[in-house]
Amino acid sequence: DGGITQSPKYLFRKEGQNVTLSCEQNLNHDAMYWYRQDPGQGLRLIYYSQIVNDFQKGDIAEGYSVSREKKESFPLTVTSAQKNPTAFYLCASKGTGRTEAFFGQGTRLTVV
Amino acid sequence: GNSVTQMEGPVTLSEEAFLTINCTYTATGYPSLFWYVQYPGEGLQLLLKATKADDKGSNKGFEATYRKETTSFHLEKGSVQVSDSAVYFCALTDQAGTALIFGKGTTLSVSS
Repeated sequence: DGGITQSPKYLFRKEGQNVTLSCEQNLNHDAMYWYRQDPGQGLRLIYYSQIVNDFQKGDIAEGYSVSREKKESFPLTVTSAQKNPTAFYLCASKGTGRTEAFFGQGTRLTVV
Repeated sequence: GNSVTQMEGPVTLSEEAFLTINCTYTATGYPSLFWYVQYPGEGLQLLLKATKADDKGSNKGFEATYRKETTSFHLEKGSVQVSDSAVYFCALTDQAGTALIFGKGTTLSVSS
């Protein structure tokens, strides 16, 4: 089945450690996105990529990094510079010429 | 810049009641408008969309009409069910289609 896979579903890390969240899609979509969700805040855009080897910062990029070496993959690294990393992270993708985005099931990151 | 404002929740209804969740937007040009739904612990699913003024999106008994004169895209359902309990997000994408911009979400709770 085509879709977007985020792994793992739950992730625990100690403060000060970098952690990488995986996002893979087999929808042949060009554009991919990372959002962060906090209670009462809605979804906020971290980074997005419209094509392989290119990506742009969203509204809250500080403390995060991404890469887009393959069309199917858009991993997000939460660095130790992110002051409040505990959140629910959602990956999405969108096909060229389409308006709607499709979402993965999310990764809940807890930093202790 | 572009933004979405939706009514604060939570919204609590009895089964078979009428539902309205208000959504207004600020955007230049002609954005596409969306309603997404999120069930507990999951990612977002596209519920419906409208891409031009006066379009009506509909799905699973939910409807929303793109009103450019009032910059609104209110979600309605004539008779809610317990299974409709979820968080509902209004969103838009600009004409360039770079990324979705979300409202803060409205939690709906339906009791039998």
